[in-house]
Amino acid sequence: DTAVSQTPKYLVTQMGNDKSIKCEQNLGHDTMYWYKQDSKKFLKIMFSYNNKELIINETVPNRFSPKSPDKAHLNLHINSLELGDSAVYFCASSQTWGATEKLFFGSGTQLSVL
Amino acid sequence: RKEVEQDPGPFNVPEGATVAFNCTYSNSASQSFFWYRQDCRKEPKLLMSVYSSGNEDGRFTAQLNRASQYISLLIRDSKLSDSATYLCVKAGGTSYGKLTFGQGTILTVHP
Repeated sequence: DTAVSQTPKYLVTQMGNDKSIKCEQNLGHDTMYWYKQDSKKFLKIMFSYNNKELIINETVPNRFSPKSPDKAHLNLHINSLELGDSAVYFCASSQTWGATEKLFFGSGTQLSVL
Repeated sequence: RKEVEQDPGPFNVPEGATVAFNCTYSNSASQSFFWYRQDCRKEPKLLMSVYSSGNEDGRFTAQLNRASQYISLLIRDSKLSDSATYLCVKAGGTSYGKLTFGQGTILTVHP
């Protein structure tokens, strides 16, 4: 069983479109994250939720809106996609807030904006 | 200055070689450090934590030098399967609740 699963794996879309990426973890963890890995391979945190509550919002454009319907799910909706949004987006979870030494990552969603 | 800086490499070494990576960090309030490994087109996975007293796991040894603010990873007897990107990571301090990743160092082990 996959611990952290995200869909879709690949997403190719046109500029200006709206798209969503879904993430689910079956580990019973309290905290979930979205990270972005750009073309230079830097992994940067975007958002963190703890028990469905937004904890970290790291200067991300408001076109990006995370939603956590329950602590096992953290989805990412992106409005008005831009070329610069092309990247790999990783969902991750950790057992508790602050327990960052062991992050479990999903396999990533490669977003290409044309 | 980036919070975590690594030499991106690539490092190309033959099987059996010993290779070492260094990483420097800013913000001395950072509390915890790790090495993650990322295979091509895959997600990062925790390789090992880094302690001031040193941490060894088989062929891998990690070391933290707080005075000089650098972290090292030593790989002995390199295997082909060690080929990956190694990410230096810090947490804690002003970065509480999130990991800050370095750019990663690419290692290629060849026959």
